[in-house]
Amino acid sequence: NAGVTQTPKFQVLKTGQSMTLQCAQDMNHNSMYWYRQDPGMGLRLIYYSASEGTTDKGEVPNGYNVSRLNKREFSLRLESAAPSQTSVYFCASSARRLGQDQETQYFGPGTRLLVL
Amino acid sequence: GDSVTQMEGPVTLSEEAFLTINCTYTATGYPSLFWYVQYPGEGLQLLLKATKADDKGSNKGFEATYRKETTSFHLEKGSVQVSDSAVYFCACRNTGGFKTIFGAGTRLFVKA
Repeated sequence: NAGVTQTPKFQVLKTGQSMTLQCAQDMNHNSMYWYRQDPGMGLRLIYYSASEGTTDKGEVPNGYNVSRLNKREFSLRLESAAPSQTSVYFCASSARRLGQDQETQYFGPGTRLLVL
Repeated sequence: GDSVTQMEGPVTLSEEAFLTINCTYTATGYPSLFWYVQYPGEGLQLLLKATKADDKGSNKGFEATYRKETTSFHLEKGSVQVSDSAVYFCACRNTGGFKTIFGAGTRLFVKA
């Protein structure tokens, strides 16, 4: 049981390049999330997927797109990377029971992205 | 909108010292409150939580009490260890909602 896995662990991009961050969970969770972590700002929600087939914007969605490929996988795409997107990106998941999202989130180890 | 404010770090303590990390929140309704911990190079993991007023969450010697009258959820531990060195995040989430609001994090260093 690997929990939440993310790839790659580290990436360097040039301004304007594109890339996709991958996330997968093996806990049969319905909900998945992408956050970015910046110094002094905690975690900010980029996008989330309440269930397979749905995605919604979070606090800071500009410059990103997401795909909920299936129940296990939730990818984050940067179409044209900018230096302001240099950050650590975390994927998380949570279960749903009795029609309500369960509150505890389980996080992946993170992807450190540097945009030059 | 909802927000979480926690004390700035870093906090540096000697082993066996008492720890308090302050956290206050602004939220409508009756949110659930959390403390997450992030060890170096890892993702966040839940440390403890409380879902209603006056509840006390506890885990691994850490505890925090949900104080609705002061909108606070301060983290405490009576005797810290070097292995407690990490970044601690306070967070809140409204029941049934999908958005968890995180504080900025407080880095704790514990010296032997």
